Amino acid sequence: EAGVAQSPRYKIIEKRQSVAFWCNPISGHATLYWYQQILGQGPKLLIQFQNNGVVDDSQLPKDRFSAERLKGVDSTLKIQPAKLEDSAVYLCASGPKTPSETQYFGPGTRLLVL
Amino acid sequence: ELKVEQNPLFLSMQEGKNYTIYCNYSTTSDRLYWYRQDPGKSLESLFVLLSNGAVKQEGRLMASLDTKARLSTLHITAAVHDLSATYFCAVASTGANSKLTFGKGITLSVRP
Repeated sequence: EAGVAQSPRYKIIEKRQSVAFWCNPISGHATLYWYQQILGQGPKLLIQFQNNGVVDDSQLPKDRFSAERLKGVDSTLKIQPAKLEDSAVYLCASGPKTPSETQYFGPGTRLLVL
Repeated sequence: ELKVEQNPLFLSMQEGKNYTIYCNYSTTSDRLYWYRQDPGKSLESLFVLLSNGAVKQEGRLMASLDTKARLSTLHITAAVHDLSATYFCAVASTGANSKLTFGKGITLSVRP
């Protein structure tokens, strides 16, 4: 079974630029999550989708971050404009059905904002 | 707000010895996860603990959950170099829109 795919794996941008990340979850997984992991810390949930609907985006900085999940499958996370403090690894995870089941993480996208 | 604390944050282990690391959380939960992360890699699921008194074992690692004390332990038996990594616990909030809150992680380093 293929795992969670993410691209790009690395991205370097200057502050105030825009960037987008893509995630393809495990086939059939209804739930999809985007996490931000700052160096030396645990992942922090940004947004959670159930199929193509948003379940929780309470920790998403909506003035600059946006996310969508097209047709309940792939998802994109966008930052516009980026700030220095957005430098982090952005992890996508998916789960089979309900939040009670294990989440499977992708390899992440490492973002460096200069 | 659910808070998750892990301690210690860094542990240097000697090969062959036993160690225990801890995960405390602040509010009621019925699910706790342990993940492993190697440097530059993503998170790998180790254990899911779903009830008070749950114990899971895989190789040299054994995880347990005490929901009354809001505490999970990860016990390492006869540490080996391959166990060097960062270990995160994550606790699920209760309710319909449950979400995970991660601790800061514990970095384990096994020395000969």
